[in-house]
Amino acid sequence: TQLLEQSPQFLSIQEGENLTVYCNSSSVFSSLQWYRQEPGEGPVLLVTVVTGGEVKKLKRLTFQFGDARKDSSLHITAAQPGDTGLYLCAGATGAQKLVFGQGTRLTINP
Amino acid sequence: NAGVTQTPKFQVLKTGQSMTLQCAQDMNHEYMSWYRQDPGMGLRLIHYSVGAGITDQGEVPNGYNVSRSTTEDFPLRLLSAAPSQTSVYFCASSLLQGSQPQHFGDGTRLSIL
Repeated sequence: TQLLEQSPQFLSIQEGENLTVYCNSSSVFSSLQWYRQEPGEGPVLLVTVVTGGEVKKLKRLTFQFGDARKDSSLHITAAQPGDTGLYLCAGATGAQKLVFGQGTRLTINP
Repeated sequence: NAGVTQTPKFQVLKTGQSMTLQCAQDMNHEYMSWYRQDPGMGLRLIHYSVGAGITDQGEVPNGYNVSRSTTEDFPLRLLSAAPSQTSVYFCASSLLQGSQPQHFGDGTRLSIL
């Protein structure tokens, strides 16, 4: 069974601080996706990274795919209360099958 | 465009009862899948389908059946509900080629007493 270990599982910080969420595996993935989930809703895709070493930016969010395509990170700069939510990483194993990490529940305090 | 629609949103069952969770998508996506989400465990794949008439097992298929008679619909059946199946169930769909994003429904919250 391929596993994705996400850390930390819980993170509570003050508005304006920076943070990084990590997603690690011993398996190689063809791509890695990051989702954000609000209470009572399904996950919504933030970004897909495909190439080893790839970096993508989405406003204050920076996503990186590891060179070996086994790990990824999400960095948020100057966090805002609107960033609060559950962040999920998911590795693609082919034919669209995804393996999800446990999720990071992020709380940004005003 | 409704996207992925799941019904019901909430359901309470007694142990041993059966039920079907409905999932429909209007995006003509070939790939559809069912996940369950439990606290601290992320989403786990139950069953998936790459097209009408084709289904396959995911990580946690026991106790669940699926069928795919049309491109649009992918129902999930619980044959004999058990308390361990208390969870939030998500249906997702996507195009098949490449690293396509999965579009999720809003989930069905299921409690088995």
